[in-house]
Amino acid sequence: EVQLVESGGGLVQPGGSLRLSCAASGFTFSVYSMHWVRQAPGKGPEFISVITSSGDATFYADSLKDRFTISRDNSKSTLYLQIDSLRADDMAVYFCARERGGYYLDYWGQGTLVTVSS
Amino acid sequence: EIVLTQSPATLSLSPGERATLSCRASQSIGSSLAWYQQKPGQAPRLLIYDASNRATGIPARFSGSGSATDFTLTISSLEPEDFAVYYCQQRTNWLFGGGAEVEI
Repeated sequence: EVQLVESGGGLVQPGGSLRLSCAASGFTFSVYSMHWVRQAPGKGPEFISVITSSGDATFYADSLKDRFTISRDNSKSTLYLQIDSLRADDMAVYFCARERGGYYLDYWGQGTLVTVSS
Repeated sequence: EIVLTQSPATLSLSPGERATLSCRASQSIGSSLAWYQQKPGQAPRLLIYDASNRATGIPARFSGSGSATDFTLTISSLEPEDFAVYYCQQRTNWLFGGGAEVEI
């Protein structure tokens, strides 16, 4: 059974940093591109970033590329998202998801909540 | 940047009725469009990919059609569990549409 489990969310002060993790199991992690998607309260999903299966290429949403860094450790079947200089508008549930067919997301984690507040 | 516009924003229907949701792209995207369903407190669930292919385990009452800039998700006969928010997503920059809620 494919499972994606995010962790690392929580309460952080404005200007702080977080590293989110996504532990994958039930499939060969190293052959799939992986995504991070976030969803602010009452809003739709927002693409953040994608990383290729080997980790040799990454892509970011134009509005987010400066503060977000995606990475992966295939030996640990784990995906990461580093978020720096957190702002109030970064408050959201952050999901990791597996990519198929170059774009669509066939499995999603349950999400981890990031709250930004002083 | 390619933008996806979904309409209507809200669709008020009853169980057993047919739902037709639209997703329009600002430029041609071929057939590279996916649809997702999301219920409160849950992650989105893939319904349709490549405009018309049902994902694994998705009931036949869900169907997708369209190409280039105009796409449609149809639910032939609404079941109680189908009342949710639906999103489209395209390949070029992985962006999602704004969503459409099917409400009772």
